[in-house]
Amino acid sequence: EPEVTQTPSHQVTQMGQEVILRCVPISNHLYFYWYRQILGQKVEFLVSFYNNEISEKSEIFDDQFSVERPDGSNFTLKIRSTKLEDSAMYFCASGAFYEQYFGPGTRLTVT
Amino acid sequence: QQQVKQSPQSLIVQKGGIPIINCAYENTAFDYFPWYQQFPGKGPALLIAIRPDVSEKKEGRFTISFNKSAKQFSLHIMDSQPGDSATYFCAASKGGNKLVFGAGTILRVKS
Repeated sequence: EPEVTQTPSHQVTQMGQEVILRCVPISNHLYFYWYRQILGQKVEFLVSFYNNEISEKSEIFDDQFSVERPDGSNFTLKIRSTKLEDSAMYFCASGAFYEQYFGPGTRLTVT
Repeated sequence: QQQVKQSPQSLIVQKGGIPIINCAYENTAFDYFPWYQQFPGKGPALLIAIRPDVSEKKEGRFTISFNKSAKQFSLHIMDSQPGDSATYFCAASKGGNKLVFGAGTILRVKS
């Protein structure tokens, strides 16, 4: 069964450093998303991506964040200058339209 | 208006019992209502979903009941098992766009 994969599973970085989180969506999906989940809290939407451009972004997704689909398979989330409050689980999801399938997540720890 | 309110926060049932988790929404434009199951350290897994044109959907031991006029929907787990112990999230979206998640319900099924 196809699944969304994410790397790395855990990333530790220092405040102010840049991080890139990587995702390989399910191959025939056209819609891509990033969400985050702070420990013990609900899942929050960050950004959606369709047809090689951002279709929607949340207030969280400020100028420090960017997304890219550098080739036909990968989908990345870059945080330019990490803050302590960026520490969370970051989930990539992909879908054909309504249904969204989540990856296992990357735990980002900012120290 | 974008919120989805979920209750209860936590729930303990005996094996074989029928836990019920409830969600309410405000935005009448929402047209897709999925439930996700999340185990510790894992990504949310799509469990079952419903569109507002039906009042009930069953998949295996999982049933969604949907009340469009009350703007509420609920998840019932029949013959619950210890392996069902997880966090359950309801969500809603409009036209295949971002998912708005509820706060989650921690379910424990006692053997």
